[in-house]
Amino acid sequence: GEDVEQSLFLSVREGDSSVINCTYTDSSSTYLYWYKQEPGAGLQLLTYIFSNMDMKQDQRLTVLLNKKDKHLSLRIADTQTGDSAIYFCAESSTGGYNKLIFGAGTRLAVHP
Amino acid sequence: GAVVSQHPSWVICKSGTSVKIECRSLDFQATTMFWYRQFPKQSLMLMATSNEGSKATYEQGVEKDKFLINHASLTLSTLTVTSAHPEDSSFYICSATRLGRGSSNGNTIYFGEGSWLTVV
Repeated sequence: GEDVEQSLFLSVREGDSSVINCTYTDSSSTYLYWYKQEPGAGLQLLTYIFSNMDMKQDQRLTVLLNKKDKHLSLRIADTQTGDSAIYFCAESSTGGYNKLIFGAGTRLAVHP
Repeated sequence: GAVVSQHPSWVICKSGTSVKIECRSLDFQATTMFWYRQFPKQSLMLMATSNEGSKATYEQGVEKDKFLINHASLTLSTLTVTSAHPEDSSFYICSATRLGRGSSNGNTIYFGEGSWLTVV
């Protein structure tokens, strides 16, 4: 079945770049998403990428997609303390109509 | 502002009672909505697909008689946790898809703010 995997924890120094990695198994995935969840809050969509793209950049965020290896990454440049949160990778095989399969989430801790 | 709204945000109920959570799409119609559950420090797990005008589709392992879903209109889906028990305490969150307008815009998934349920 479909599966999405992420590393569970990442610690970075303020000002450094953060790279959060994700792998998925569904080769028919059409859309891949990154969501942010702060403590006690809901989900915030950070960005998404179509499966026919290799890269997408949006301000401090860069998403890289290696479709051959089914590997997705999220790079946060100049990481700030406000970026501390849990980041979820998710896939959808039919572009939004269908269910999202989430990874376990990567807890990003930013320290001075 | 929010385009998908959930209510209530927080609810505490006694064991054995039922509680209803609403999910509304505020400025668009959604024939399909999704309900997820998130236990503390865990990921979001899809519970069911809510279909307007028809029965919900439940994921494996989710009791349909315990988690009643009603999607009576194009802007409202409700999740009722019946005979709640402490192990049902969780974060419940819904999503709805707004269809893209024109060839330049894709569909967009919106999540509600989530509802924290505590059963005591």
